[in-house]
Amino acid sequence: EAGVVQSPRYKIIEKKQPVAFWCNPISGHNTLYWYLQNLGQGPELLIRYENEEAVDDSQLPKDRFSAERLKGVDSTLKIQPAELGDSAVYLCASSTGTAQGETQYFGPGTRLLVL
Amino acid sequence: SQQGEEDPQALSIQEGENATMNCSYKTSINNLQWYRQNSGRGLVHLILIRSNEREKHSGRLRVTLDTSKKSSSLLITASRAADTASYFCAPAGFNKFYFGSGTKLNVKP
Repeated sequence: EAGVVQSPRYKIIEKKQPVAFWCNPISGHNTLYWYLQNLGQGPELLIRYENEEAVDDSQLPKDRFSAERLKGVDSTLKIQPAELGDSAVYLCASSTGTAQGETQYFGPGTRLLVL
Repeated sequence: SQQGEEDPQALSIQEGENATMNCSYKTSINNLQWYRQNSGRGLVHLILIRSNEREKHSGRLRVTLDTSKKSSSLLITASRAADTASYFCAPAGFNKFYFGSGTKLNVKP
């Protein structure tokens, strides 16, 4: 079974430029998460999808971040414009559901460096 | 919040020794999960213990849960250099869970 796929793995951009990250979850997983992880810290939830619906985006900085999950499968996370403080690893995870705290399966992450 | 807080922040041991990491949380949970993260990689699920369980084993891993103290511990027995990683606990409620800052384990060969 293929795991969670993310691309790109690395991205270097200049501040004020836009950037997008893509995630393909494990087949059959209805729930998809985007996390931000700063160096030496644990992942922080940005947004959670149940199928195509964003059910928890309370931690997403909506002035510059946006996300979509078309058809309830793949998802894209976008930052526009990027700021220096956005340099971090962006992790995508998926699970079969959230009602009972199901196990999350993580992708390798996209490491973003904003110059 | 349900955020887990791991202790210690860093742990350095010799290969073959046991490693114990602790996790504390603040609210009631449905289950508690432990994850491992190797440098530059995503998190990998290690073990899940439900709120009505007190102890669980998986290979060289032993997890305990004390809901009265809102704490959990992860024991890795006979550690190997390959166990070097960061370990995160994630107390899980009914809609979400939060990761702490992790324990960074270094196993010296």
